[in-house]
Amino acid sequence: LAKTTQPISMDSYEGQEVNITCSHNNIATNDYITWYQQFPSQGPRFIIQGYKTKVTNEVASLFIPADRKSSTLSLPRVSLSDTAVYYCLVGDYGSGAGSYQLTFGKGTKLSVIP
Amino acid sequence: GAVVSQHPSRVICKSGTSVKIECRSLDFQATTMFWYRQFPKQSLMLMATSNEGSKATYEQGVEKDKFLINHASLTLSTLTVTSAHPEDSSFYICSAEDRGLYGYTFGSGTRLTVV
Repeated sequence: LAKTTQPISMDSYEGQEVNITCSHNNIATNDYITWYQQFPSQGPRFIIQGYKTKVTNEVASLFIPADRKSSTLSLPRVSLSDTAVYYCLVGDYGSGAGSYQLTFGKGTKLSVIP
Repeated sequence: GAVVSQHPSRVICKSGTSVKIECRSLDFQATTMFWYRQFPKQSLMLMATSNEGSKATYEQGVEKDKFLINHASLTLSTLTVTSAHPEDSSFYICSAEDRGLYGYTFGSGTRLTVV
């Protein structure tokens, strides 16, 4: 299983763009990168998933360099409601090869300041 | 998107009693579900993998006889905490793979407090 490393915490003011970088140096060829958001006393919620280059959806963008040893979650114009813990996960579940155990790292606690 | 319903959302029980937590996939079939435990200010820790129609696979250090898992159908997995003690107080979360766009969907979690 590819190990991930993220900053423990980040602070940002409302309206700013926030970039959270995750390192996964031993990512395997078949591994996808997925980000989850978790609010206190709630289960994690899927944000975005990607394999390479850039992926964008209605809430975030995911940037993955060519070597895939890191990835950056970009949240545009954050609001107070974006205060949460963000987890970066790496695993071979995008291929549909079978069920895969998600292993959570420590995550990044994002605090948005008014 | 896929929805996983977890019930109850919070429960308080007396020490020595058992508590059952249900995890249902509402709009998809889940051959495999996962159970996690999360202590305050810590990350999610995988407890076991629940397979429909077969025995669950437990992570190292998780007591099989204490945390009973049953996955009798493709939409329901249950976790029973037997003879609960205060140290079992935690946030329990289930997840299921829908093989679709969102990959793994998580339940809303169950806050267990043993008094």
